[in-house]
Amino acid sequence: DQQVKQNSPSLSVQEGRISILNCDYTNSMFDYFLWYKKYPAEGPTFLISISSIKDKNEDGRFTVFLNKSAKHLSLHIVPSQPGDSAVYFCAAQGAQKLVFGQGTRLTINP
Amino acid sequence: EAQVTQNPRYLITVTGKKLTVTCSQNMNHEYMSWYRQDPGLGLRQIYYSMNVEVTDKGDVPEGYKVSRKEKRNFPLILESPSPNQTSLYFCASSLYPNTEAFFGQGTRLTVV
Repeated sequence: DQQVKQNSPSLSVQEGRISILNCDYTNSMFDYFLWYKKYPAEGPTFLISISSIKDKNEDGRFTVFLNKSAKHLSLHIVPSQPGDSAVYFCAAQGAQKLVFGQGTRLTINP
Repeated sequence: EAQVTQNPRYLITVTGKKLTVTCSQNMNHEYMSWYRQDPGLGLRQIYYSMNVEVTDKGDVPEGYKVSRKEKRNFPLILESPSPNQTSLYFCASSLYPNTEAFFGQGTRLTVV
């Protein structure tokens, strides 16, 4: 049973436009949510996080939105750049465990 | 430089031959964990450790063991590997479970 789901395996966006990556979760006990980015042949790297008591967190070009009633979070990247092409994982933390989604492959086209 | 070091990077082994994948971090982090990455399934947590001598099961612990005798090291042990443990493995460390995690570069394991 997948507690954290990223329903879009891939997303293609034009350079300079906004990229929106989505993530849904089922467990209301999760209290932190994080996004990681992964390039081929490397480990994931941390991007941005949000506590369950907030609904938005912004860091430069990256903004994460949390909708607790819908159990949904999204990552907005604006403007999108070629170096943003990677696999993005959302993760939810609760009871000392970290649960990841399946990942979304983002491709930024010139 | 802050880093998590895993060894080996690549490993091919035969069914039933015990192996250990090492993981070491230099950031004095409390929390360490192991994940496996499989196509379509994302990253799944195998085991985690909140501190020295404190370990607990993640979502897919069957067939794996861990130990945390020192804060910096968190080896993953496969006592009797099977082909369904063929995967890409990542070790990670963070100050707490909900803070930024630093990942190793991964170990690609093939069990034949």
